[in-house]
Amino acid sequence: EIVLTQSPGTLSLSPGERATLSCRASQSVSSNYLAWYLQKPGQAPRLLIYGASSRATGIPDRFSGSGSGTDFTLTVSRLEPEDFAVYYCQQYGTPPGTFGQGTKVEIK
Amino acid sequence: QVQLQESGPGLVKPSGTLSLTCAVSGGSITSPNWWSWVRQPPGKGLEWIAEIYYTGGTNSNPSLRSRVTISVDKSKNHFSLKLSSVTAADTAVYYCARINSYQYYSMDVWGQGTTVTVSS
Repeated sequence: EIVLTQSPGTLSLSPGERATLSCRASQSVSSNYLAWYLQKPGQAPRLLIYGASSRATGIPDRFSGSGSGTDFTLTVSRLEPEDFAVYYCQQYGTPPGTFGQGTKVEIK
Repeated sequence: QVQLQESGPGLVKPSGTLSLTCAVSGGSITSPNWWSWVRQPPGKGLEWIAEIYYTGGTNSNPSLRSRVTISVDKSKNHFSLKLSSVTAADTAVYYCARINSYQYYSMDVWGQGTTVTVSS
C-alpha cells in the first residue's frame, strides 16, 4: 500500500496569500494517478486536480498541481475566502487507492 | 449531470451488517466508470473502501476486504455496500463516488454522504 504524507498539517494564511501544499508518496505513483480534493465542513470532498496537474471542470485557474513520482504539490495562487478548508491528495496508480491525512488551510 | 445519493440505516448494532445503497441519476451506471465507497470517521480523514464496475468487477481495501460486499444493480441504476461484523470503529460518514476512467481514475462526482453510527 502506498502511504501519502501531506505537509504541513495546518497552514495559517490570509486571503490573497499564496498556499503551497505538499503530498509525498512512499513509492512512485504510476502514471501520475494523483488527485487533489477540497473538503469544507459538513460537505463531501470536491475534485480539484486529477492526473497530478489537470484542473477538474469548473475549478478556477488559481488552483494548480504539479509533481511526479513521489513528490506532488498543490498551489493556490491567491487565497479566496471560500478556499479555507481541508485539502486531501489521493493516489490511484496502485490499488488500494489511498488518501493523504489532509492539510487544513485556515485563516490567519 | 450525474448525481449520487446514498441511503440506508443511520444506526447499526455492533456485530451487525451495515447496508447502504447509492442511487445514480442523470446518467447510466453502465457508463465506462467505476463506482466507489469512501468513508470518513468523525474528525478524521478519508478512507477508500471498495469499488465496482457495472460488469461486476470489484476491488476493495485489503484492511476491510473480509467484511465488504459491493454489488451493482443495473436495472435500478444503483450500487450497494454491505459491511459485516461492524464495531464502533465503523462509525463514519459514508460517501459514494464516481471514479472517472477518463480522468486518471479520480473521484469526480460525490454523494452528499450518509452518517452511520454503530451502537447498541
